[in-house]
Amino acid sequence: DAGVIQSPRHEVTEMGQEVTLRCKPISGHDYLFWYRQTMMRGLELLIYFNNNVPIDDSGMPEDRFSAKMPNASFSTLKIQPSEPRDSAVYFCASSDKTESNEQFFGPGTRLTVL
Amino acid sequence: AQSVSQHNHHVILSEAASLELGCNYSYGGTVNLFWYVQYPGQHLQLLLKYFSGDPLVKGIKGFEAEFIKSKFSFNLRKPSVQWSDTAEYFCAVIGSARQLTFGSGTQLTVLP
Repeated sequence: DAGVIQSPRHEVTEMGQEVTLRCKPISGHDYLFWYRQTMMRGLELLIYFNNNVPIDDSGMPEDRFSAKMPNASFSTLKIQPSEPRDSAVYFCASSDKTESNEQFFGPGTRLTVL
Repeated sequence: AQSVSQHNHHVILSEAASLELGCNYSYGGTVNLFWYVQYPGQHLQLLLKYFSGDPLVKGIKGFEAEFIKSKFSFNLRKPSVQWSDTAEYFCAVIGSARQLTFGSGTQLTVLP
């Protein structure tokens, strides 16, 4: 298996632009998670899905952020409009139903908003 | 709500020194515990995990951790570090929900 795939790996955009981050979870995994990592706040859970349904989005910073999972093999995290404070590394992770709850992380997308 | 506390923000060691990184969590129920490592510029990789059974868990690259329920701790250890262990280490916990809560991380620098 290729692991969790994220694209793009790097994104540089200007304030006000729409940004879309993409994630392909490991095949067969039922859970998908979006995290944000910054120096100031560390690793934060933004939202997670179970069987394509959003379960908890309480970590989503504000209405400018939205996430979708149209099918079991694809998810997007969208920021519209983007702001410089959104600059961070965004990680996607997936896990299956096993008891250990281990999450497998993708390589991340480094977002820079100018 | 669950939380994780990592006491050491930055640890600097010489090669061959022994390592212990502290991790304490707060959660009243059954937990699954993890240590992840993040090498410079890379994504998070699982070092080891505990979810039941033997509280002394062995992971990859010679790392181990001990779950002490009475102390709510899950400290990471390695008897002899190498320069290649330079990375950031994150302790994490999952409680009843699937939400993984991370500690603030410990940056380990190993001097050659």
